[in-house]
Amino acid sequence: GESVGLHLPTLSVQEGDNSIINCAYSNSASDYFIWYKQESGKGPQFIIDIRSNMDKRQGQRVTVLLNKTVKHLSLQIAATQPGDSAVYFCALNSGFSGGYNKLIFGAGTRLAVHP
Amino acid sequence: NAGVTQTPKFRILKIGQSMTLQCTQDMNHNYMYWYRQDPGMGLKLIYYSVGAGITDKGEVPNGYNVSRSTTEDFPLRLELAAPSQTSVYFCASSPRDRGHHEQYFGPGTRLTVT
Repeated sequence: GESVGLHLPTLSVQEGDNSIINCAYSNSASDYFIWYKQESGKGPQFIIDIRSNMDKRQGQRVTVLLNKTVKHLSLQIAATQPGDSAVYFCALNSGFSGGYNKLIFGAGTRLAVHP
Repeated sequence: NAGVTQTPKFRILKIGQSMTLQCTQDMNHNYMYWYRQDPGMGLKLIYYSVGAGITDKGEVPNGYNVSRSTTEDFPLRLELAAPSQTSVYFCASSPRDRGHHEQYFGPGTRLTVT
């Protein structure tokens, strides 16, 4: 079956350091892998996605790496700032079912940024 | 644009009561979704809609109903509330040209059933 797991429930980093959040998945049929950020009391916010035919994609201060061989996805945040404190979810699409390529969300990793 | 708005923000229901969670988006998105998020967990899809007049079940539809009479609105109905429905509910939408993976979420409704 499909599953999405996170390696660590909580990650603490110093302001200015780089953060790496990891995610393992089991579905080989997924063609998109996505990261969402959820700040306290708010809904999730799309950060970045990567297609299955890519192994790296960069955004503004964020990089997503995809290793399909070991079914591993990571989100790297450069120069982590206090505003990056949030819960980060990885998600992947699970394949079409009745016209909907549904998203499967992991449980999330809480990133705590310390001054 | 206001994006995705949800009302109410908080609600306490007694077992057996019913209520409707409202969701509106002003981005003209075709796709809309309802999720629930239990503490320390990811999001579970309740229902989704790919356009006005079209709805379908997600992973956890039991105890809920939806309708989509307009592009903008996607209300979620809870009938005969149960303690297991205590959760935070998120509505989301996405544009057709981004598939289903870039979703825009509302701020959520925190529901407690006692």
